[in-house]
Amino acid sequence: KNQVEQSPQSLIILEGKNCTLQCNYTVSPFSNLRWYKQDTGRGPVSLTIMTFSENTKSNGRYTATLDADTKQSSLHITASQLSDSASYICVVSDRGSTLGRLYFGRGTQLTVWP
Amino acid sequence: EADIYQTPRYLVIGTGKKITLECSQTMGHDKMYWYQQDPGMELHLIHYSYGVNSTEKGDLSSESTVSRIRTEHFPLTLESARPSHTSQYLCASSVPGNQETQYFGPGTRLLVL
Repeated sequence: KNQVEQSPQSLIILEGKNCTLQCNYTVSPFSNLRWYKQDTGRGPVSLTIMTFSENTKSNGRYTATLDADTKQSSLHITASQLSDSASYICVVSDRGSTLGRLYFGRGTQLTVWP
Repeated sequence: EADIYQTPRYLVIGTGKKITLECSQTMGHDKMYWYQQDPGMELHLIHYSYGVNSTEKGDLSSESTVSRIRTEHFPLTLESARPSHTSQYLCASSVPGNQETQYFGPGTRLLVL
């Protein structure tokens, strides 16, 4: 069964600290993996996308890694800011259909305290 | 920033009422989607469209219907709202491709009493 599992479910850190969010998936075949940021009351916004051949992708203070062999990804946030408080969603796309079906994780709820 | 809009943002309505959630995008994207999201849960695809006059049901069974008469407009309708329809509804659009990025609207939070 194609699934995307994220951990931890929630995380609280102090402003300025680093953190790492995890994503494990069983989706096959695999096309790409995205990390989205969803602020409370808003729609998700894409942070990074990685294909099979990419193992690191950065977007400012966000760095995503991908290990396609172990089917694991991580999102590292450096020097966290209050505005980083949001839900971070891991999304995996297969290549087995014309729709390019997306499998969503439940997200990690990150809270950054001052 | 994506130009995709949803109205209303919040809606409280009584059981049995007919409602239409609006979604519009100004990016000229052919593909559009409706997702349902409950707190702390993953997004579930309920409807999608490849373009004008194309509508398909998604993975999650839904009593809602959609239409796609114009490229930029993809409204979702509930003929008779029930408390079980209480949820957040997210609209998205994308350009077809191997790495297509979906751009999401801000969502509509629906509460059915």
